Amino acid sequence: IAGITQAPTSQILAAGRRMTLRCTQDMRHNAMYWYRQDLGLGLRLIHYSNTAGTTGKGEVPDGYSVSRANTDDFPLTLASAVPSQTSVYFCASSDSIDGPGDGYTFGSGTRLTVV
Amino acid sequence: GQNIDQPTEMTATEGAIVQINCTYQTSGFNGLFWYQQHAGEAPTFLSYNVLDGLEEKGRFSSFLSRSKGYSYLLLKELQMKDSASYLCAVSSNDYKLSFGAGTTVTVRA
Repeated sequence: IAGITQAPTSQILAAGRRMTLRCTQDMRHNAMYWYRQDLGLGLRLIHYSNTAGTTGKGEVPDGYSVSRANTDDFPLTLASAVPSQTSVYFCASSDSIDGPGDGYTFGSGTRLTVV
Repeated sequence: GQNIDQPTEMTATEGAIVQINCTYQTSGFNGLFWYQQHAGEAPTFLSYNVLDGLEEKGRFSSFLSRSKGYSYLLLKELQMKDSASYLCAVSSNDYKLSFGAGTTVTVRA
């Protein structure tokens, strides 16, 4: 593993089903983030974690939950998927929580379609 | 909330120069980033400005005016591989990055 790994790459999901998107980083970054990217709206922050054991809500947290049991992993769960959650989801990490640092490193994304 | 505006699309010819403008209104300011994103791929870091002025990195330069809430990304000697979306992002009071919707640049031969 080098950088951030997201899984799955893509998924078609029936509405109402539960789904967990996985994100793992090997850079020992403290901060991790989940964004969704929709055409015309850009990247919007869903949830974040400044360090293992803590999480916070971003701009569009409804319908999503996260956990941060350790430094490396930051899964995103959709408890009961709805079609409006169709999007491309990016996980990102940063080595700094109190300054921009070197910016964010992004995973390759998960394309989720809810039908 | 955050308000970050950039043009939706721009087209330019190979070898030319293109300037992508970004204006922002945010809760505090701790730096402005530009990212490049090719279709179907992850965003990758291009530049970072925290003080007023121009930062140059090879063919790419980025400018910031904090008093005007304005930045631009300048792409020189355009190549076909520069066809991509360019994302303006601002780090605000809580150090989280807020992104503009992105500018899709198409380079034509």
